[in-house]
Amino acid sequence: DTAVSQTPKYLVTQMGNDKSIKCEQNLGHDTMYWYKQDSKKFLKIMFSYNNKELIINETVPNRFSPKSPDKAHLNLHINSLELGDSAVYFCASSILDGSSYNEQFFGPGTRLTVL
Amino acid sequence: QQQVKQSPQSLIVQKGGISIINCAYENTAFDYFPWYQQFPGKGPALLIAIRPDVSEKKEGRFTISFNKSAKQFSLHIMDSQPGDSATYFCAAGRGSTLGRLYFGRGTQLTVWP
Repeated sequence: DTAVSQTPKYLVTQMGNDKSIKCEQNLGHDTMYWYKQDSKKFLKIMFSYNNKELIINETVPNRFSPKSPDKAHLNLHINSLELGDSAVYFCASSILDGSSYNEQFFGPGTRLTVL
Repeated sequence: QQQVKQSPQSLIVQKGGISIINCAYENTAFDYFPWYQQFPGKGPALLIAIRPDVSEKKEGRFTISFNKSAKQFSLHIMDSQPGDSATYFCAAGRGSTLGRLYFGRGTQLTVWP
């Protein structure tokens, strides 16, 4: 059983388009994250939701809008795609219980290529 | 600014050798230091983690050494194997930051047979 799943795995699109990436976790976790990994493999956190509430919102262009319909799902919608948005986007999940000692489980990633 | 600095950026080690990756941090409030391992085409996965109340943690061939006064921690991979070839990320976090982890920039490890 896949713990954290993302769709699609690959996404190739033209500049200016709007696209969405979906994430689902079946671990019973209450917190989900979106990370962006650039071509140099740097992992940068973008957003985090706890029980459907936005708790981390990094300096990310307004074109990126996360949505969490429930604890098990976190989607990322990107408007007006730009070349610089090309990256691998990872979803992750964990339990948030007031400590930082909770393992984050990552999905397999979505490789976004903007042409 | 980069909260966690990691070096080297890449590392080539012969099979059976010791791989050492170093990380340094500034924020003394950090109280959790995990290492993540990422294979090509996969998401990062937790390898081993340490809290600052111990100076060393060992799991199989993987050991974290932690130096609180120097604000440094390192990953040692003993008897490195070709299957260990991956990108390794150190990270740091603290309880009040809503689960947020600050990642190093990663080390690409290649183990030659």
